[in-house]
Amino acid sequence: TQLLEQSPQFLSIQEGENLTVYCNSSSVFSSLQWYRQEPGEGPVLLVTVVTGGEVKKLKRLTFQFGDARKDSSLHITAAQPGDTGLYLCAGGLQKLTFGTGTRLTIIP
Amino acid sequence: DAMVIQNPRYQVTQFGKPVTLSCSQTLNHNVMYWYQQKSSQAPKLLFHYYDKDFNNEADTPDNFQSRRPNTSFCFLDIRSPGLGDAAMYLCATSPVRVANEKLFFGSGTQLSVL
Repeated sequence: TQLLEQSPQFLSIQEGENLTVYCNSSSVFSSLQWYRQEPGEGPVLLVTVVTGGEVKKLKRLTFQFGDARKDSSLHITAAQPGDTGLYLCAGGLQKLTFGTGTRLTIIP
Repeated sequence: DAMVIQNPRYQVTQFGKPVTLSCSQTLNHNVMYWYQQKSSQAPKLLFHYYDKDFNNEADTPDNFQSRRPNTSFCFLDIRSPGLGDAAMYLCATSPVRVANEKLFFGSGTQLSVL
């Protein structure tokens, strides 16, 4: 079983600050996905990273896939209250396994 | 516009009373998944259908069953709900069952067991 550990588990910061959350595994993944889940809703895909060392940007969000394809990070610049949610990394071959999640709260 | 629809949004059942959750999709995707998500935890895959082929996860209790009568609909049956089965149940779909494939999630059904 490929396990994905995310850190931190909880993060609460002020609006306008920067933050980074991490997704780590001892296994190699062919790709990793990042989802955001808002309360009472299903997860929504933000990005898929495929190539080792790849960096993808989505407005204020920057996603990086580790060179060895065992880890990934999500950096948010100038966080806004709308960024609040549960951030999940996910990977796997025929079925997606989710990471342990980071619950992010942005305080106005 | 909703593409993966789950009904009901909230379901209350009694301990031991069978309950069925439903999921429908308008995407014509081959794969449909059921995930269980407990409070502040990541979604955990229970099982999935690849077309009509049912794939159960090894650690999914026998208490959980599923039916997929056609491409559009998939049901989750909990035969004898226990207090520990209270959770959000998420249905998801994808066109194929490969890495990189995006999952489309419904809004979930929040199940309470009294």
